[in-house]
Amino acid sequence: EAGVVQSPRYKIIEKKQPVAFWCNPISGHNTLYWYLQNLGQGPELLIRYENEEAVDDSQLPKDRFSAERLKGVDSTLKIQPAELGDSAVYLCASSLAGSEKTQYFGPGTRLLVL
Amino acid sequence: GENVEQHPSTLSVQEGDSAVIKCTYSDSASNYFPWYKQELGKRPQLIIDIRSNVGEKKDQRIAVTLNKTAKHFSLHITETQPEDSAVYFCAANAGRGAQKLVFGQGTRLTINP
Repeated sequence: EAGVVQSPRYKIIEKKQPVAFWCNPISGHNTLYWYLQNLGQGPELLIRYENEEAVDDSQLPKDRFSAERLKGVDSTLKIQPAELGDSAVYLCASSLAGSEKTQYFGPGTRLLVL
Repeated sequence: GENVEQHPSTLSVQEGDSAVIKCTYSDSASNYFPWYKQELGKRPQLIIDIRSNVGEKKDQRIAVTLNKTAKHFSLHITETQPEDSAVYFCAANAGRGAQKLVFGQGTRLTINP
């Protein structure tokens, strides 16, 4: 079974430029998560989707971050414009619907903003 | 909201010895506590989890204990091996039945040969 796929794996951009990350969850997983992981820290939830609906986006900085999950499968996370402090690893995870379900993580996209 | 504290931040043990990592949580309604292992540059992977209806769970060399009264849970690794070297994260769900996980800050475990 294929795991969660993310692309690109690495991205280097200059500040004020836009950037987008893509995630393909495990087949059949209705729930999709985007996490931010700063160096030396645990993942922090940015947004959670149930199918195509964003059900928890309270920690998403909506002035510059946006996300979508068209058709309830793949998802994209966008930052526009990027700031130096956005340098981090952006992790996507997916799970079956319901509570206490294992979240499976993708390899992440490592973003460096110069 | 839920807050998870993890200690120690770094841990170094001799191969073959045991390692213990401890976490505390703040929301007494939390009922799901997974542990993830993340090797350098790799994705976090679930190694064991525990639900609030049990006090201990074991899987080969790995065990997790939960004390609901004190709101803390611990990861125990016995007979450590070099491949156990990684960063370990504890997490708790943000309230009973919640799908949102709140992670601890991580523990970098080094196994010395």
